[in-house]
Amino acid sequence: DAGVTQSPTHLIKTRGQQVTLRCSPKSGHDTVSWYQQALGQGPQFIFQYYEEEERQRGNFPDRFSGHQYPNYSSELNVNALLLGDSALYLCASSRAPGGGYEQYFGPGTRLTVT
Amino acid sequence: QKEVEQDPGPLSVPEGAIVSLNCTYSNSAFQYFMWYRQYSRKGPELLMYTYSSGNKEDGRFTAQVDKSSKYISLFIRDSQPSDSATYLCAMSIGGGADGLTFGKGTHLIIQP
Repeated sequence: DAGVTQSPTHLIKTRGQQVTLRCSPKSGHDTVSWYQQALGQGPQFIFQYYEEEERQRGNFPDRFSGHQYPNYSSELNVNALLLGDSALYLCASSRAPGGGYEQYFGPGTRLTVT
Repeated sequence: QKEVEQDPGPLSVPEGAIVSLNCTYSNSAFQYFMWYRQYSRKGPELLMYTYSSGNKEDGRFTAQVDKSSKYISLFIRDSQPSDSATYLCAMSIGGGADGLTFGKGTHLIIQP
């Protein structure tokens, strides 16, 4: 049973550029959440996708956007990158309410903005 | 004041000791409480998941939730060097259908 997968593993971008990160949920899961984890901090919730719609959002600017595909995979897009966007970006998947509530995390994508 | 407070440590204990990790929180609406283990440069791994107040045991791990005090704990019995990691507490109002709010994480070191 494949767990949550993320790509790429590492990424280096320049300030002002745009980046797209990808996530495939655990088998049987249909909800994807994205988190940002700065060094030495706990993960911070960015947003959650279910049925191809953003249904909940944390305190992040609209430079952060996402998408969910019919196969439940998801993308996180960040525009106009800032140095402060350097972090580990984590994807977590879960089942919609009624099917279980645990969120399982992928290995993350480490983004470095120079 | 942050919504979830967690002592970052490091917490260093000898192998075989009982470890106690704790978090306090301020939002009384939180209903679901989790503990994740995170090894360096890896994604968090779910250890324990509890709903509302009470205790839950799984092998060497016991999770406790005291909603009246807004305090949660994770106990690790017979600690092993392989338990050395960062332990993150997390909580939410609506379980998996909800964004999780995390503590900062406690860095745990088990000395052989």
